[in-house]
Amino acid sequence: NAGVTQTPKFRVLKTGQSMTLLCAQDMNHEYMYWYRQDPGMGLRLIHYSVGEGTTAKGEVPDGYNVSRLKKQNFLLGLESAAPSQTSVYFCASRRRGSSYNEQFFGPGTRLTVL
Amino acid sequence: GDSVTQMEGPVTLSEEAFLTINCTYTATGYPSLFWYVQYPGEGLQLLLKATKADDKGSNKGFEATYRKETTSFHLEKGSVQVSDSAVYFCALNPTPLISSGSARQLTFGSGTQLTVLP
Repeated sequence: NAGVTQTPKFRVLKTGQSMTLLCAQDMNHEYMYWYRQDPGMGLRLIHYSVGEGTTAKGEVPDGYNVSRLKKQNFLLGLESAAPSQTSVYFCASRRRGSSYNEQFFGPGTRLTVL
Repeated sequence: GDSVTQMEGPVTLSEEAFLTINCTYTATGYPSLFWYVQYPGEGLQLLLKATKADDKGSNKGFEATYRKETTSFHLEKGSVQVSDSAVYFCALNPTPLISSGSARQLTFGSGTQLTVLP
């Protein structure tokens, strides 16, 4: 049982390049989330999904797109990377009906945009 | 909207010292409260939680009590170890009946870096 995994672990992009971050979970969770973590700002929600084929915007969605074609995968895309998107990205998942909203996190992807 | 305010870091302690990391919150209704821990190079892990007023969450020697009267959820440990060095996040889960989003996103504090020296 791997839990939540993220690919890649590290990436360096040039401004304007595109990339996709992959999140996978093997816990059969319905809900999945993408956060970014910046110094002094905690975690901020980018997008989330309540089930296969559905996505919604979070607090800071601009410049990102997401897709949830399979229940176990949640993809985060950057179409044209900007230096402001330099951050650590975390994926999380949780079970629908979890009374306390306990989320399980992946190990993170460290992205640098030059 | 909901918010979580955490003690600014970094915090540096000697081994076996007493730890307190302050956390206060603003929310409507009766949120659930959490402490997450992030060890170097890893993702966040749930450390402890409390779901109603006066509940005490505890795990690995850490404790936090949900104080509704002071809207606080301070993290404490009586004797820290070098292995406790990590970033600690306080988080809030809004009251289900009030939250507008079915996904009930967590609201995180800014995190507190703790370093424990031998």
